[in-house]
Amino acid sequence: AQTVTQSQPEMSVQEAETVTLSCTYDTSESDYYLFWYKQPPSRQMILVIRQEAYKQQNATENRFSVNFQKAAKSFSLKISDSQLGDAAMYFCAYRSGGSGGSNYKLTFGKGTLLTVNP
Amino acid sequence: GAGVSQSPSNKVTEKGKDVELRCDPISGHTALYWYRQSLGQGLEFLIYFQGNSAPDKSGLPSDRFSAERTGGSVSTLTIQRTQQEDSAVYLCASSFLDRTYEQYFGPGTRLTVT
Repeated sequence: AQTVTQSQPEMSVQEAETVTLSCTYDTSESDYYLFWYKQPPSRQMILVIRQEAYKQQNATENRFSVNFQKAAKSFSLKISDSQLGDAAMYFCAYRSGGSGGSNYKLTFGKGTLLTVNP
Repeated sequence: GAGVSQSPSNKVTEKGKDVELRCDPISGHTALYWYRQSLGQGLEFLIYFQGNSAPDKSGLPSDRFSAERTGGSVSTLTIQRTQQEDSAVYLCASSFLDRTYEQYFGPGTRLTVT
């Protein structure tokens, strides 16, 4: 079974600074997806960024980028120019990529609570 | 367009009562998922629907939990004889069937069992 580990229960950053959230995962599969979701106090999970394992290029979405190290099974999220609205719980998630099997089920880490200080 | 909606937003019930949680997916989304978010277990998968059928119910924690989907749209998660350990946020998500890597979540239902 796949597992996702987020070793930082809490992180804080100053507004306009950069912060990196860590995530490692364990899998024997070669084809999969990795995600970062944001959950603000409203509880709604919002997809921040997605990485397909077969793509070597790291995904970016505006101020959000990832450092995907497939061999090390590491998938960190970098938030640049942090804003107050970035404060939330961030979850790393894994999904099998192959056809058939459980290629729909998301497996989540425990989350990292990010605080942004003005 | 409209996102995934869930009702009620919050539900407080007494131990032993039955509860029904509702999910309205995004129009056109054939795939629907239920997840549970609790302090002890984190976020865990419960059940997956393809249209009205549920090929994967492996995450349902006990036979007190059941779910159905009608008309390929609305889904209801039912918990019978609720226990205190059922207290959690129940999240619903939906996606197109060929884009299960793009799941859109609702705001969840916070269930408190007293």
